[in-house]
Order: sequence, then structure tokens, then C-alpha cells
Amino acid sequence: KNQVEQSPQSLIILEGKNCTLQCNYTVSPFSNLRWYKQDTGRGPVSLTIMTFSENTKSNGRYTATLDADTKQSSLHITASQLSDSASYICVVSEGSGTYKYIFGTGTRLKVLA
Amino acid sequence: GAVVSQHPSRVICKSGTSVKIECRSLDFQATTMFWYRQFPKQSLMLMATSNEGSKATYEQGVEKDKFLINHASLTLSTLTVTSAHPEDSSFYICSAREGGQGRGDTQYFGPGTRLTVL
Repeated sequence: KNQVEQSPQSLIILEGKNCTLQCNYTVSPFSNLRWYKQDTGRGPVSLTIMTFSENTKSNGRYTATLDADTKQSSLHITASQLSDSASYICVVSEGSGTYKYIFGTGTRLKVLA
Repeated sequence: GAVVSQHPSRVICKSGTSVKIECRSLDFQATTMFWYRQFPKQSLMLMATSNEGSKATYEQGVEKDKFLINHASLTLSTLTVTSAHPEDSSFYICSAREGGQGRGDTQYFGPGTRLTVL
């Protein structure tokens, strides 16, 4: 069964600190993996996208990694800001032609001043 | 970048009434649009996939007669929640994909619609 699991479920950090979110998937065939940020009451906004051959992708203070062999990905946030408080969702796209998105359960991040 | 809008952003209705939610792709043509539902502290759950000019494909457990989807043009899809009940209260999010050769699989998400049924 195609699944995407994320950890931790929630996380609280102090402003300025770094953090790393984890994503494990069992989606096959694999097309690509994306990380989204979703503010409360808003739609998801894309942060990064990685294909099978890419190991790392950065977007400002966000850096995503992908290990296609172990089917794991991480999202590292550097020097966190209050505005980083949101849910972060890992999404894997199936490579079967339908390109269906398989959503992770999300990690709720709270950054405190 | 590609922009998807939804209207209304929030709606409150009485039990038994119908509610229509619009999803528009503002600067691209969306061959395929998706409708998701999201309950508090949960991730997005796909309800249905609609291709322009054809009937929507519903996910298992989603009642097609209750959640009517129309994708009449390449820039507009509508979701109508018929005879809404309090358990239909949720956050509804649409996404749009360009489709076609070389367009990739990227879905652009709308801002969501908060539905509250009293």
C-alpha cells in the first residue's frame, strides 16, 4: 500500500534554532517528492520538489534531502522564524501515469519567541 | 507563478441547504482539477478528480450524489455540497494541474474554503 509517514507529529522550537523534519514513504512507482508548507486555514504552498536522481534541494532557509534507496526524505529549516510556524507536508507523486499525490500526515511546527 | 483561487473563502449554512464552491485557475488552463477535504489536524484527503468535459472520478467512500463536481471549462471547477449536514463541516481545498505533454504533474493549490454547517 502506498503510504507516506512523517515524524515528528508536532514540534516546538525557539526562534533562531534549526530543526529537521522526517518523511518515510513506500510509494511505488516513484515520480517525485515534494515538501509543502501549509499555514493554518490556507492551502499548501510548495517549498521543494525532488526527483529520483536528486539528493538535495534548497529554497532559502529550507533544505530538503532525498535518499531514494532507503525511501527517506528530510526537510531542514535553518534559523527558524516565527513565520515558520505551520504544518509541513511531505507529498510523493506516483509514477504510474496518474501522478496521484500521496500525502503525508504532516508535522505541525510551532516557533516560539 | 500559477495561481488558483477559491470562492468563497468561508461559508456558513443551515443543515439541509446546498453550498457551491468555485475553483479557478487564473493564469493557466487546468486540464485536471482535484478536490480535497481536510479535517482539523489531519492531512488532505482526495475526494475526487475531474477532467475538463468529462465526469469526475470519486475516491472510495465519497458520495458522488452528495458532492457534485462540474468541470465545464479549462479554468473553472465547482463543488456543490448537497443537503449539507454538520458532519460535512470541513476545509475544502482544490488544486489544478495543467496537463498535456511536458507539463508535468505539478498541482497548484487554492487557498481553501472553510464550510461550517449549523
